[in-house]
Amino acid sequence: DTGVSQDPRHKITKRGQNVTFRCDPISEHNRLYWYRQTLGQGPEFLTYFQNEAQLEKSRLLSDRFSAERPKGSFSTLEIQRTEQGDSAMYLCASSLEGGQSVGYTFGSGTRLTVV
Amino acid sequence: DQQVKQNSPSLSVQEGRISILNCDYTNSMFDYFLWYKKYPAEGPTFLISISSIKDKNEDGRFTVFLNKSAKHLSLHIVPSQPGDSAVYFCAASGTTSGTYKYIFGTGTRLKVLA
Repeated sequence: DTGVSQDPRHKITKRGQNVTFRCDPISEHNRLYWYRQTLGQGPEFLTYFQNEAQLEKSRLLSDRFSAERPKGSFSTLEIQRTEQGDSAMYLCASSLEGGQSVGYTFGSGTRLTVV
Repeated sequence: DQQVKQNSPSLSVQEGRISILNCDYTNSMFDYFLWYKKYPAEGPTFLISISSIKDKNEDGRFTVFLNKSAKHLSLHIVPSQPGDSAVYFCAASGTTSGTYKYIFGTGTRLKVLA
């Protein structure tokens, strides 16, 4: 297993366009998380899944954002009608249920630039 | 409302000396705490954890101390090495309240000088 994979690594898009990011977690991990990080800030929680169920969503996740994990394996995060304020690093992480002591394993992130 | 705070944005330490990174939190429901290290262009990497039933946890050169009454934790790195230069984030979770998300601080950039 090569860890958590995110695709693409970088995305430049024009304001108003839709973008979709993909995350492939560690195969045996049943929890998957999306975070967003902007310059000078720590990762901010967006949403998390246990298997295919989306169990929690942040208030940061406006109705332009949607996340799915259709078969409890990979996940996608879509941003519709992108705005310049959406420019950030989008991080995906996965963990085992009950694995609080070892935290998450993060991917390398997708850097989004909205121009 | 920043529930997890790292008030020092940066820290410089000589190689071989101790690095102490601090973190404060406000939510008394937090019961698990983690430290992550982040290099540029990479995702954060888990470093060490501590649960609220302990006040200290060690792993090699890294020790985390938890003071629940002060809602404060610190990460000690001894001895510091140039490869430790990175941004360090503390994170907290309130698993007893049924949420498994971690809340992160804003990070402290550590520079270890050779």
